[in-house]
Amino acid sequence: SQQGEEDPQALSIQEGENATMNCSYKTSINNLQWYRQNSGRGLVHLILIRSNEREKHSGRLRVTLDTSKKSSSLLITASRAADTASYFCATDAKLVFGKGTKLTVNP
Amino acid sequence: DTEVTQTPKHLVMGMTNKKSLKCEQHMGHRAMYWYKQKAKKPPELMFVYSYEKLSINESVPSRFSPECPNSSLLNLHLHALQPEDSALYLCASSQQVVETQYFGPGTRLLVL
Repeated sequence: SQQGEEDPQALSIQEGENATMNCSYKTSINNLQWYRQNSGRGLVHLILIRSNEREKHSGRLRVTLDTSKKSSSLLITASRAADTASYFCATDAKLVFGKGTKLTVNP
Repeated sequence: DTEVTQTPKHLVMGMTNKKSLKCEQHMGHRAMYWYKQKAKKPPELMFVYSYEKLSINESVPSRFSPECPNSSLLNLHLHALQPEDSALYLCASSQQVVETQYFGPGTRLLVL
C-alpha cells in the first residue's frame, strides 16, 4: 500500500478561496514533503516539514504535521489560477507518492 | 545551478530499438532517482543511486538498465520495450537519499 495518501483526490475552487488537502501515512517518519506537478511536467518541491515541527509556512502555503495521527495538511491561501496542479506528499520512510490531489482553481 | 536536465524531451521508439535517457545535475547531490509516471497516476519509483551505487531497484524489468557513470550523470538504457512502457520518465536528485528531491522535466516516451 502507498505510504502517502492524499485526500481529496480532486478539488475545484474559485480564485481567492483557500484550498486544503490532506496526507496520511503509515510508518514513523523523519520528514514529510509536499510537491506540485503541473500537467505533464516534472514535480516541484514545495515544502519539507520535519517530525519535530508542527507547522511551517512558505508564502501562501501552510503545512501542518500531526505525528500522533500520522497525517499532514497543505493549505494554500488566496488561491490563483496558476495554482492549478496535482499535489503530492511523500515521506522519507518510503519513496512512494500517493495518488495526489488534483486542484483546479477557476478564474 | 539548481536544475536537473533530462534529454531527450520526447522519444519514440520501436520494440526492437535500443535507446538511452540521460539525466544531469550539477548541485553536488549524491542521490539520483528514476521514476516512471503513467497518465493520471503518481510517479512510481524505479531506481535509486546513492554515491553512484545502485541502492534501490523496485523490481524493474531488465529491459530497463540504469547506469551512473559519475556523480552528475544518470542514464537509463532501454532495450526491447513494450508499448505499455510508454510513459513520462522522471529523473530526480537530492543531497542524500530521502531528502528533498529536485526533479527534471521528464522524457515522454512512446513505444510503438
